[in-house]
Amino acid sequence: AQSVTQLDSQVPVFEEAPVELRCNYSSSVSVYLFWYVQYPNQGLQLLLKYLSGSTLVKGINGFEAEFNKSQTSFHLRKPSVHISDTAEYFCAVSEDTDKLIFGTGTRLQVFP
Amino acid sequence: DAGITQSPRHKVTETGTPVTLRCHQTENHRYMYWYRQDPGHGLRLIHYSYGVKDTDKGEVSDGYSVSRSKTEDFLLTLESATSSQTSVYFCAIRAGQISTDTQYFGPGTRLTVL
Repeated sequence: AQSVTQLDSQVPVFEEAPVELRCNYSSSVSVYLFWYVQYPNQGLQLLLKYLSGSTLVKGINGFEAEFNKSQTSFHLRKPSVHISDTAEYFCAVSEDTDKLIFGTGTRLQVFP
Repeated sequence: DAGITQSPRHKVTETGTPVTLRCHQTENHRYMYWYRQDPGHGLRLIHYSYGVKDTDKGEVSDGYSVSRSKTEDFLLTLESATSSQTSVYFCAIRAGQISTDTQYFGPGTRLTVL
């Protein structure tokens, strides 16, 4: 069965610092991987996705993620965060996009 | 926002009462989903639909039913609401026709069961 683990429930960081949000998954077959962002009192917005091809995926707002099959990871990174990046970030996995399995989320708090 | 609206956006109800949440889309997408979001659990799939009158259960379907009588509307019903169903409910659509297409989410409905 598929599962997703987001290792950090909260990540505090100062503005302009780099950040990495960790995501590990388990699956017995090939998967598709997604990162969504949720700003306060809003729905989820797709940040980026890995379907196939290059393992380095670039998304919106300067975020990128790297798919590492051997480590079953899909960590999200940004070289320099802004106050506006404060939000909750969800990693999700799917063997087909009919059913997404979400992690429990990581709350990114950016301080000035 | 992929043309998805949810109604109501907020609702407070009492234990034992029936509740129906509506998801409406304007872009004729075939696949629609209902999730609930709870602290410490992320989002969990309740039910989904792959066409008019075609629905299937998700991970947490107990206590919920759905209906889809037309492409644009996907209804989620709590026949007899319980306090454990207090949550934020999100509707999603899958854009496109192939399995690699992406799910897009509505703005959510915050439901409180007293």
